Amino acid sequence: ETGVTQSPTHLIKTRGQQVTLRCSSQSGHNTVSWYQQALGQGPQFIFQYYREEENGRGNFPPRFSGLQFPNYSSELNVNALELDDSALYLCASTDQGSYGYTFGSGTRLTVV
Amino acid sequence: SQQGEEDPQALSIQEGENATMNCSYKTSINNLQWYRQNSGRGLVHLILIRSNEREKHSGRLRVTLDTSKKSSSLLITASRAADTASYFCATDHYGGSQGNLIFGKGTKLSVKP
Repeated sequence: ETGVTQSPTHLIKTRGQQVTLRCSSQSGHNTVSWYQQALGQGPQFIFQYYREEENGRGNFPPRFSGLQFPNYSSELNVNALELDDSALYLCASTDQGSYGYTFGSGTRLTVV
Repeated sequence: SQQGEEDPQALSIQEGENATMNCSYKTSINNLQWYRQNSGRGLVHLILIRSNEREKHSGRLRVTLDTSKKSSSLLITASRAADTASYFCATDHYGGSQGNLIFGKGTKLSVKP
């Protein structure tokens, strides 16, 4: 299977709840990054995983956490949701050593 | 904080015209990439230019990079209605966190038939 797939496509959660977003990387890609894109803004880097270890992190609090599995699929977990967490969450994969990223279509999270 | 700044924020042209978008950044980079995003969905990688390159072409796309001015431009020639989208530059900056692409706020391009 080619391309990056994300699930779910849309999600509505209540403030204070926890959420898990999922990403299946493009075949052959061993590195995955997560981005948050607020409305009208460019994506902001959350973190990157390589070989199941976090190897880069942006300016996001610890309640944003992730996992990468042996098949290179990945999860983004956000605890204690806040209204400002409402955004499009994008997953991107690449082959370590190359430069271009393949992005998924994103999960639109709304916190009410 | 976002390093890249695209200019203009919005651009409206007629089909067949050329579209030029500019990007400025703040710190030294390893490479600069351009992405397209349709209607708030996923980003599509268009082209990457390394810090030691000055110009690159891909189909109707032409990208230039001026590291002395910390700026880049994306030219789309003979535009089509299907080129309507938001365009982002993203920098992979020297010494940055692994995998940390820094995006600007984007240029919203509208191509009218």
